Amino acid sequence: NAGVTQTPKFRVLKTGQSMTLLCAQDMNHEYMYWYRQDPGMGLRLIHYSVGEGTTAKGEVPDGYNVSRLKKQNFLLGLESAAPSQTSVYFCASSYGDRYQPQHFGDGTRLSIL
Amino acid sequence: AQSVTQPDIHITVSEGASLELRCNYSYGATPYLFWYVQSPGQGLQLLLKYFSGDTLVQGIKGFEAEFKRSQSSFNLRKPSVHWSDAAEYFCAVGFSTDSWGKLQFGAGTQVVVTP
Repeated sequence: NAGVTQTPKFRVLKTGQSMTLLCAQDMNHEYMYWYRQDPGMGLRLIHYSVGEGTTAKGEVPDGYNVSRLKKQNFLLGLESAAPSQTSVYFCASSYGDRYQPQHFGDGTRLSIL
Repeated sequence: AQSVTQPDIHITVSEGASLELRCNYSYGATPYLFWYVQSPGQGLQLLLKYFSGDTLVQGIKGFEAEFKRSQSSFNLRKPSVHWSDAAEYFCAVGFSTDSWGKLQFGAGTQVVVTP
């Protein structure tokens, strides 16, 4: 059971570079989420999607873009990376029901120099 | 404004001792509540959840939590801690005004288990 898979697991970027983080889930979940985790701040929602072709902004969306072209994949893009985006990024997914728990990937540790 | 507070940033407990982690929320209606655990280098794993009904809920790994509406709390407990319980614990709250399952997370409590 793969569950939620995030790639890559680690990445170092230079300021101004771009990159895309991939999240893939094999549970046929409708909802998918991207969070960032910073020390002492818990997880904060960046963007989310409630179905294929839909995306919406979360709590901290600035500097990020997302796409959900296929139901099983949710991509998070950084167009011009900044040091403030150094963080651990988590993807999660859930069934299309707000009472269902979210299932998390193992995270991507991203450092921006 | 809706908020989630975990008052204890760090807790040290001896192996075999009991553990209680606090979670308080600010919200006008009944939220739905989760506790997650994160081991180093891992994602978050669901321990337990509460939506309605019995206010004492049982979870995995011997954990339980009690919802107290009057105190706006959802505290996590374990009677006897094992060394493998060392991890970071997150309380998460969903709000009935949101249709999309979005959660607000507390800042987390780091649990250290000593021999």
